[in-house]
Amino acid sequence: SAVISQKPSRDICQRGTSLTIQCQVDSQVTMMFWYRQQPGQSLTLIATANQGSEATYESGFVIDKFPISRPNLTFSTLTVSNMSPEDSSIYLCSVLKTGRDTGELFFGEGSRLTVL
Amino acid sequence: QKEVEQDPGPLSVPEGAIVSLNCTYSNSAFQYFMWYRQYSRKGPELLMYTYSSGNKEDGRFTAQVDKSSKYISLFIRDSQPSDSATYLCAMSRYSSASKIIFGSGTRLSIRP
Repeated sequence: SAVISQKPSRDICQRGTSLTIQCQVDSQVTMMFWYRQQPGQSLTLIATANQGSEATYESGFVIDKFPISRPNLTFSTLTVSNMSPEDSSIYLCSVLKTGRDTGELFFGEGSRLTVL
Repeated sequence: QKEVEQDPGPLSVPEGAIVSLNCTYSNSAFQYFMWYRQYSRKGPELLMYTYSSGNKEDGRFTAQVDKSSKYISLFIRDSQPSDSATYLCAMSRYSSASKIIFGSGTRLSIRP
């Protein structure tokens, strides 16, 4: 298993500002991901955070808007830049632990952002 | 059309009832099928995992995959108030976490 701590758990932000979300894992993991969960929508993968190199972004997400750092195997940050109300969402950090049959995703509790 | 469709609910049933949660999908290449449970203000947690077609049982939970119909189900027997949560189906072509596609989740409430 994996214990994932995210900070902040929630925040209210002003339009045009940026916010950095931190993710700390209790063990070293190779694969770490950032997801967005909008109300009534499915979990959407934003990017894979790669240790020591640039993150791999999914279609529709760009580094300028969602810069990601991964300085080591237990920690990552996601910044939501120049926020607008459309960025109001829950942002989830996730890690992959490989079991015998398949990988299992473990999620943090999420960071709930409201942009005014 | 979304790759994975899931009825958002909410679904409210009395305690002890059998619950059936379902997803349909369009990509026949999906091989790995998962159900995640998400309690309010928590992250999702893996509940059940199935490879290819067939059934898998774990206690009160049964996951069923029908690849010919592109339809997966999660059955909960003897439902408890503690089962109240949002259930997300998820599926992938690969065993790794890359390209897992999630459904939008069904909100389930079990009435005591």
